[in-house]
Amino acid sequence: AQSVAQPEDQVNVAEGNPLTVKCTYSVSGNPYLFWYVQYPNRGLQFLLKYITGDNLVKGSYGFEAEFNKSQTSFHLKKPSALVSDSALYFCAVRGHTGTASKLTFGTGTRLQVTL
Amino acid sequence: ETGVTQTPRHLVMGMTNKKSLKCEQHLGHNAMYWYKQSAKKPLELMFVYSLEERVENNSVPSRFSPECPNSSHLFLHLHTLQPEDSALYLCASSQEWNRGRLITNTEAFFGQGTRLTVV
Repeated sequence: AQSVAQPEDQVNVAEGNPLTVKCTYSVSGNPYLFWYVQYPNRGLQFLLKYITGDNLVKGSYGFEAEFNKSQTSFHLKKPSALVSDSALYFCAVRGHTGTASKLTFGTGTRLQVTL
Repeated sequence: ETGVTQTPRHLVMGMTNKKSLKCEQHLGHNAMYWYKQSAKKPLELMFVYSLEERVENNSVPSRFSPECPNSSHLFLHLHTLQPEDSALYLCASSQEWNRGRLITNTEAFFGQGTRLTVV
């Protein structure tokens, strides 16, 4: 069965510093990988996805993510964090066919950016 | 904002009540989903409707009953719920079929959710 691991419940970073939110996955075959963000009392908003091609994917609000096949990772990054980036971040994986075609989410990582 | 609208935003119901959650998408998508989000747990996929047919029911108790009358609307009918059913219920949609072929590289768009409290 496919799965996503987000090993950190919370990441704390000072405004202006780079941030990384970690994600590793397990799926049969080549993965489709997604990052979503959730602000308080809101639904999930799509940030970016990896389908194929360049391992560095750029998304909304200055976020990017790097796909690493050998490490089965898809870490979310931003060069300079903002206080407004504070939210809950979810990584998700989807395979191509069969049961792997379901979208599977991690447990989420809370990002806290402070002044 | 995302093109997926859920109503109501908040719902408090007793264990003997019957209520319904509504979801509407304006994106022309052909798949819709119900998720349950509880604290400290991964998002739980409850139901999937693809081309208006239910294709997934992840062992959800029968007190939750979905309905998809057309490709734009999705309901979740609730009856005799338990306090542990209190959670944020999220609806999502995506474009899952293209010319008869399943495509899984498209992102899902989520509504803002219904915060359900069962008392």
